[in-house]
Amino acid sequence: LAKTTQPISMDSYEGQEVNITCSHNNIATNDYITWYQQFPSQGPRFIIQGYKTKVTNEVASLFIPADRKSSTLSLPRVSLSDTAVYYCLVGDGRNFGNEKLTFGTGTRLTIIP
Amino acid sequence: DVKVTQSSRYLVKRTGEKVFLECVQDMDHENMFWYRQDPGLGLRLIYFSYDVKMKEKGDIPEGYSVSREKKERFSLILESASTNQTSMYLCASSRIGDSYEQYFGPGTRLTVT
Repeated sequence: LAKTTQPISMDSYEGQEVNITCSHNNIATNDYITWYQQFPSQGPRFIIQGYKTKVTNEVASLFIPADRKSSTLSLPRVSLSDTAVYYCLVGDGRNFGNEKLTFGTGTRLTIIP
Repeated sequence: DVKVTQSSRYLVKRTGEKVFLECVQDMDHENMFWYRQDPGLGLRLIYFSYDVKMKEKGDIPEGYSVSREKKERFSLILESASTNQTSMYLCASSRIGDSYEQYFGPGTRLTVT
């Protein structure tokens, strides 16, 4: 499993765009990049997944450069409800035997009013 | 809406007791997982199952066992609870071939005294 590195914590003001970067230098060819969000006292929630370039959904955007050694989760116009821990995961979950996820400790994002 | 439910949100048990944590999913998912989450350590995989009566050890299986008699239900068993098993326990499920998109339950906070 590719090791990931992300900031331990970040603060941002309401209404701003927040970018959380994750480094994964030893990403393998078949690996996807997945981000989860976890609110206090809840289980993690899948928010976005990508392989290359850019992926966007109703929650966030994911930017992946050509070398795929890093990725950036972008949250547009954050609100207080975006305060959570964000986890970056890298791996290939499509094949039997690759089911294990390694969450790490994530990035604690705090939104300031 | 997809749903993973766990039998209890909070549980207090005494050292040496046998503890059962139940998880049920309604998405007809093949894969089911048990994690524990501790401050500073992130989520760690205890066991997972890819089919009825099948199980695989995760990263920290010692002191735990699991049971999967029906596709929708995955149980975590602490044969003889100890204080170092005080933790948040999270259950998740996913489709086979897509284990990086997991759906989590709300968690059970277990305290062993």
